[in-house]
Amino acid sequence: EVQLVQSGAEVKKPGESLKISCQGSGYTFTNYWIGWVRQMPGKGLEWMGIIYPGDSDTRYSPSFQGQVTISADKSISTAYLQWSSLKASDTAIYYCARHDYGPLDFWGQGTLVTVSS
Amino acid sequence: SYEVTQPPSVSVSPGQTASITCSGDKLEDKYICWYQQKPGQSPVLVIYEDRKRPSGVPERFSGSNSGNTAILTISGTQAMDEADYYCQAWDSSTASGVFGGGTKLTVL
Repeated sequence: EVQLVQSGAEVKKPGESLKISCQGSGYTFTNYWIGWVRQMPGKGLEWMGIIYPGDSDTRYSPSFQGQVTISADKSISTAYLQWSSLKASDTAIYYCARHDYGPLDFWGQGTLVTVSS
Repeated sequence: SYEVTQPPSVSVSPGQTASITCSGDKLEDKYICWYQQKPGQSPVLVIYEDRKRPSGVPERFSGSNSGNTAILTISGTQAMDEADYYCQAWDSSTASGVFGGGTKLTVL
């Protein structure tokens, strides 16, 4: 059974750094892209970017290029999304999903990130 | 950057057919996926590559893509289909995706 398990909710202050994780199981982690999707409170889905854990090839949406960093550690089947300096506007639920080079076919449970002073 | 547009809301009576559109320039040149999201839940893929259904998705869900418009059709709509629906365009030349703004489907 394909599963993506994300790290737990985070509460941070503006300016702090953060790295959230997404661990895949039930399939060959290095054979599929992993995508990250943002959903701000009460809003729609936003495609942030994808990474291919096999060779760490990474693509970003223009809206998120330079704002976040996507990485992966294939030895532990885990992808990451990180910020160096959080802003209040980063408050959102962040989903990871297996990206079958087009469709996001299996999703994680989401990680709620709250940034507040 | 590429954009796709959806109507904010669609209403349908139980048992009737619901159609949700997704519009974009030369959309037929891109693969379209559709996702269903219920409150408090992660999105679920219901259509990929314009018209294919993942295993476990009911046959009442179907999709099409022609010209500048893709359509998600739900035949014999049930109360359980009430949810937000998002289209996603995939550009294989740039390996990038974009979501529509989402459509709230109300079954009343």
